[in-house]
Amino acid sequence: QQQVKQSPQSLIVQKGGISIINCAYENTAFDYFPWYQQFPGKGPALLIAIRPDVSEKKEGRFTISFNKSAKQFSLHIMDSQPGDSATYFCAARSSGRRETSGSRLTFGEGTQLTVNP
Amino acid sequence: DTAVSQTPKYLVTQMGNDKSIKCEQNLGHDTMYWYKQDSKKFLKIMFSYNNKELIINETVPNRFSPKSPDKAHLNLHINSLELGDSAVYFCASSAYPGGGEQYFGPGTRLTVT
Repeated sequence: QQQVKQSPQSLIVQKGGISIINCAYENTAFDYFPWYQQFPGKGPALLIAIRPDVSEKKEGRFTISFNKSAKQFSLHIMDSQPGDSATYFCAARSSGRRETSGSRLTFGEGTQLTVNP
Repeated sequence: DTAVSQTPKYLVTQMGNDKSIKCEQNLGHDTMYWYKQDSKKFLKIMFSYNNKELIINETVPNRFSPKSPDKAHLNLHINSLELGDSAVYFCASSAYPGGGEQYFGPGTRLTVT
């Protein structure tokens, strides 16, 4: 069963536009929500992350908005550039002591973003 | 210096064969992972090791056997390969179990014919 649902599956945006990718989760035990960016032929790389005690986090053109009551979070890419074209994954980590085995990341299905010049 | 490296990058083999993928990280991390990314790009964890100890073993056919000779290395051996094993396999590492900042290798694209 998919614990983190991501939408849309694909997104096409014009250069300079805003890209918005949404994720929803069910497990209230999740305690950390990262976004990963993956370029073709490469491994995913951490882009930005947020903890549930914060409603928004911004790093450059990338912003995460977090709504704990709705169990939703989203990635906003401002002034989208062709170089942002990649697959984006939201993820959520189940909580637990750092030494325990159960803590892991659960990934969303991914969003293929294309930014047209 | 590559933080997480995998070999080989591409692997083409026939059904029934046995193959191995190797992974090394030079980040000093305690925890390493194997993920499988299918054709729809869905990322699913397979295994995780912490300091050479297996701590996550998802529902994976027992044809897949991971091995960690030391905390910097994690290998994946696959016996009796099947068509459905075709995917990209990623190794990753993090400072501790479930560490949100995971560093991924470049992936190994396995094609079973």
